[in-house]
Amino acid sequence: QKEVEQNSGPLSVPEGAIASLNCTYSDRGSQSFFWYRQYSGKSPELIMFIYSNGDKEDGRFTAQLNKASQYVSLLIRDSQPSDSATYLCAAFNDYKLSFGAGTTVTVRA
Amino acid sequence: DTAVSQTPKYLVTQMGNDKSIKCEQNLGHDTMYWYKQDSKKFLKIMFSYNNKELIINETVPNRFSPKSPDKAHLNLHINSLELGDSAVYFCASSQERAGGHYEQYFGPGTRLTVT
Repeated sequence: QKEVEQNSGPLSVPEGAIASLNCTYSDRGSQSFFWYRQYSGKSPELIMFIYSNGDKEDGRFTAQLNKASQYVSLLIRDSQPSDSATYLCAAFNDYKLSFGAGTTVTVRA
Repeated sequence: DTAVSQTPKYLVTQMGNDKSIKCEQNLGHDTMYWYKQDSKKFLKIMFSYNNKELIINETVPNRFSPKSPDKAHLNLHINSLELGDSAVYFCASSQERAGGHYEQYFGPGTRLTVT
């Protein structure tokens, strides 16, 4: 079983819609959770982190964490073509960041 | 004012050669990492150093040897390169925040191609 699993993509959404990305993790000792955005040929860019149960909002992005269900999600509201990228979910424990395989999002203009 | 930098950006070499990749961060972070991203885009940690001390050493062939001369630098030396070493190698750094949380920031990556 992979440590971090993400919903398989690709995910295609129309411009202005909400993109919903899901992630589950297997290590209950994971302390904090991260969403990175990676454009093709570029490095991962940190967009959100969360370590308490509940929701965390930053601009058009909302991260949700449910430790009991070992579930993390990312919502992108008012999706823009510039949001088209691969989104990586990661769980942190004991200095180590374990990544999911990523979900590719395409926003249709 | 690049936060995490790597050199070279591209590296093309033949099987059997030895090569090094260098990483520097000017964020004042205590912890640095090397990751490998394969052709399927899966990102996997290889090594981590905290204040020049090795703290993570994943299952990586011993042809790979990291070196941290100081906490701002982490280099990766690879001996006897193989075709399967072709990948993008990312350096990252992080600093502990209140509550024991770390945010990692990545360098631009080094695309290694072994022919």
